[in-house]
Amino acid sequence: EAQVTQNPRYLITVTGKKLTVTCSQNMNHEYMSWYRQDPGLGLRQIYYSMNVEVTDKGDVPEGYKVSRKEKRNFPLILESPSPNQTSLYFCASSVQENNEQFFGPGTRLTVL
Amino acid sequence: QKEVEQDPGPLSVPEGAIVSLNCTYSNSAFQYFMWYRQYSRKGPELLMYTYSSGNKEDGRFTAQVDKSSKYISLFIRDSQPSDSATYLCAACHQNSGYSTLTFGKGTMLLVSP
Repeated sequence: EAQVTQNPRYLITVTGKKLTVTCSQNMNHEYMSWYRQDPGLGLRQIYYSMNVEVTDKGDVPEGYKVSRKEKRNFPLILESPSPNQTSLYFCASSVQENNEQFFGPGTRLTVL
Repeated sequence: QKEVEQDPGPLSVPEGAIVSLNCTYSNSAFQYFMWYRQYSRKGPELLMYTYSSGNKEDGRFTAQVDKSSKYISLFIRDSQPSDSATYLCAACHQNSGYSTLTFGKGTMLLVSP
């Protein structure tokens, strides 16, 4: 089944404790992206990757890191999480950015 | 001003009603337009994808793009309670290999039986 998977689905952590949210797709897509979704603010792009080893900042990159060492994986790293990073996070992939984006199920992160 | 504007709703309609969801955009470089549906606690999923001005129909759904007025619409005929979800419009442009995809904030739709 073609899909985007994210782990964990739910995470409660404390300020400053490094964490990684994994994202994997099995559709051989070149383009992958991370979004956060907040009430009243909608979906905002954090980082995106056009291909392996090619990443770039989206609209709200501060406090996040990403890497794209393999085509299928695009982890999101929070080196020192803060409460304002409490949000619902989505990973997405597509053939190209202007094609249909397939979204993962979401990761609900709470930073205390 | 956000590049893609969308009324957050909620929009409440009775079952069987015709629903009209709308977005406006400010960037005339946008070339591709999409509508995503997001159920509660799920990721968005693509409903409609259009490239040019005009209408595109898929079952009970019709997407309409008017580039002259920078207006995007999604019409749902014979609405069902299962259509209750948040609908996100999105616009994309591509220039010299660089693309940007911008989402609206979403409109929540509630269809009552």
